[in-house]
Amino acid sequence: GENVEQHPSTLSVQEGDSAVIKCTYSDSASNYFPWYKQELGKRPQLIIDIRSNVGEKKDQRIAVTLNKTAKHFSLHITETQPEDSAVYFCAASYNDMRFGAGTRLTVKP
Amino acid sequence: DTAVSQTPKYLVTQMGNDKSIKCEQNLGHDTMYWYKQDSKKFLKIMFSYNNKELIINETVPNRFSPKSPDKAHLNLHINSLELGDSAVYFCASTSGGNQPQHFGDGTRLSIL
Repeated sequence: GENVEQHPSTLSVQEGDSAVIKCTYSDSASNYFPWYKQELGKRPQLIIDIRSNVGEKKDQRIAVTLNKTAKHFSLHITETQPEDSAVYFCAASYNDMRFGAGTRLTVKP
Repeated sequence: DTAVSQTPKYLVTQMGNDKSIKCEQNLGHDTMYWYKQDSKKFLKIMFSYNNKELIINETVPNRFSPKSPDKAHLNLHINSLELGDSAVYFCASTSGGNQPQHFGDGTRLSIL
């Protein structure tokens, strides 16, 4: 089955800096890669996703990149703000979605 | 008009008791899931149902029994609760394996 590894487990940045979270997956058949943001005490919510037929997708301050050959994908957040502080999960899916272990991002004002 | 709703939101009970958590989705999705999220925040899949049929059953003690009366509902019954069952349990639904999952607000289970 699919195995997703996510790094780093914690990340602290200054407000305005960029943050990058990286994930690798094991199943080359996986073709859908969503990212979820989970604020304290809340449910995970989809923030952006990418499918295997594209290499990059951007939505305002967040972007995802996908390297199918290397089987890794990344989340990039630019101009970070304190409200970006949360736990971020990557996931990979073909038939069944598997989540990474999460990255706790702290943005210091 | 909540898409995925879970009840109860909080559940505090004694060790050894039996309890149930209910989940309903109004998105018309065929597939529903139960996840366990412990204090380390890892989202561990427990069960997956597609159109009332069990698809995924990860290594979960048989004290946990899911039930899907129809494709819009997936309930979780837990027998003989143990301290290690304390966690937040999330229900989720999706229209397919390569589509987003929509999560409920979670049920925080605390075992005394």
